[in-house]
Amino acid sequence: EVRLVQSGAEVKKAGESLKISCKGSGFSFTSSWIGWVRQKPGKGPEWVGIIYPGDSDTRYSPSFQGQVTISADMSITTAYLQWSSLKASDTAMYYCGRFQYSGYEDYFDYWGQGTLVTVSS
Amino acid sequence: QSVLTQPPSASGTPGQRVTISCSGSSSNIGSNAAYWYQQLPGPAPKVLIYSNHKRPSGVPDRFSGSKSGTSASLAISGLQSEDEADYYCAAWDDGLNAYVFGTGTKVTVL
Repeated sequence: EVRLVQSGAEVKKAGESLKISCKGSGFSFTSSWIGWVRQKPGKGPEWVGIIYPGDSDTRYSPSFQGQVTISADMSITTAYLQWSSLKASDTAMYYCGRFQYSGYEDYFDYWGQGTLVTVSS
Repeated sequence: QSVLTQPPSASGTPGQRVTISCSGSSSNIGSNAAYWYQQLPGPAPKVLIYSNHKRPSGVPDRFSGSKSGTSASLAISGLQSEDEADYYCAAWDDGLNAYVFGTGTKVTVL
């Protein structure tokens, strides 16, 4: 069974750093793309970026490039999303998902349960 | 601001057919496949339609997708109360080199 389990909710202050995680199981983690999506309260999802843990190839949405860092540790089948200096506008639910990325089929087929990040100013 | 535009809402009575449109451009739907996600209150979005018209196993055949030019559509026939949710289209955008989601449509069952 494919499973993606995310780390728990975080409450932080603006300017602090944060790293949230997404642990995959039940599939070949190293030969799958893992993606992150941001969803602000009452808004639609926004694609943050993806990583291929097998070689750490990473792609970012232009809206998020330079704002976050996506990484992965193959040895523990875990992907990460991190911020070096949080802003209040980063407050949102963040979902990880397995992203089918082939050039002609691009979609999330499995998702984590989400990590709520709350940043106070 | 999303590059894929959807109507903010749609509604119907049980048993009716509801159609949701998704308007894009030549850099996304015009040159790549369209996808549809359903998001119920709480959990992450779930893919309903992939590659324009294909349904993952477990998705009822009441849901169907189509694409024409730079637009895509999702149809829900035989509307049921459990279909009340937010629906998002999505596609790869070659200009942005990123995956983009639509603005979303809230479906209400009257």
